[in-house]
Amino acid sequence: GAVVSQHPSWVICKSGTSVKIECRSLDFQATTMFWYRQFPKQSLMLMATSNEGSKATYEQGVEKDKFLINHASLTLSTLTVTSAHPEDSSFYICSARTGQQETQYFGPGTRLLVL
Amino acid sequence: GQQLNQSPQSMFIQEGEDVSMNCTSSSIFNTWLWYKQDPGEGPVLLIALYKAGELTSNGRLTAQFGITRKDSFLNISASIPSDVGIYFCAGPIQGAQKLVFGQGTRLTINP
Repeated sequence: GAVVSQHPSWVICKSGTSVKIECRSLDFQATTMFWYRQFPKQSLMLMATSNEGSKATYEQGVEKDKFLINHASLTLSTLTVTSAHPEDSSFYICSARTGQQETQYFGPGTRLLVL
Repeated sequence: GQQLNQSPQSMFIQEGEDVSMNCTSSSIFNTWLWYKQDPGEGPVLLIALYKAGELTSNGRLTAQFGITRKDSFLNISASIPSDVGIYFCAGPIQGAQKLVFGQGTRLTINP
């Protein structure tokens, strides 16, 4: 149980284009989903927290107009990187939890390369 | 703010050896979580601890919730090649929905 999927697993795009990443909870209802970014050999950096049906809460320094998050259902959240640039290249990971449970279950990650 | 200090940052061991790593904080945590991340993958939950003093096992892995609520330990017995990866401790930030993570312990095993 507690399986989270991400799609795509990797994506290469041209600078200036937008990229959408999907995060799905497959066997539970995710009342809260989280989006992280991870640079090589570093820990996870939280970008934003999203509750189903509400606007996402972004961490300090994360541009909400650049990283659009939608959590329209209890099983799906999307992260759209708008007008991507090479510096946006990174490993993006989502996680999900249900109710007030503190444990987060992570997706397999999406590697983004912007040329 | 609440921070987690994880040590060691890296470990190089021989296959078959036991491994021990820990996570400490100046703040009290009510939950401790241990995750493992393989290269190119998302973290996978290994053990969750909810009670001070709790000792929980998952196969060859054993984790303990420190009695002071400010630390936690993860031990791996008889390491095997598939134990290679990065191990993260994590705990919930009080009053928030999010977790704070340690810096990770990178485990390398020589066959």
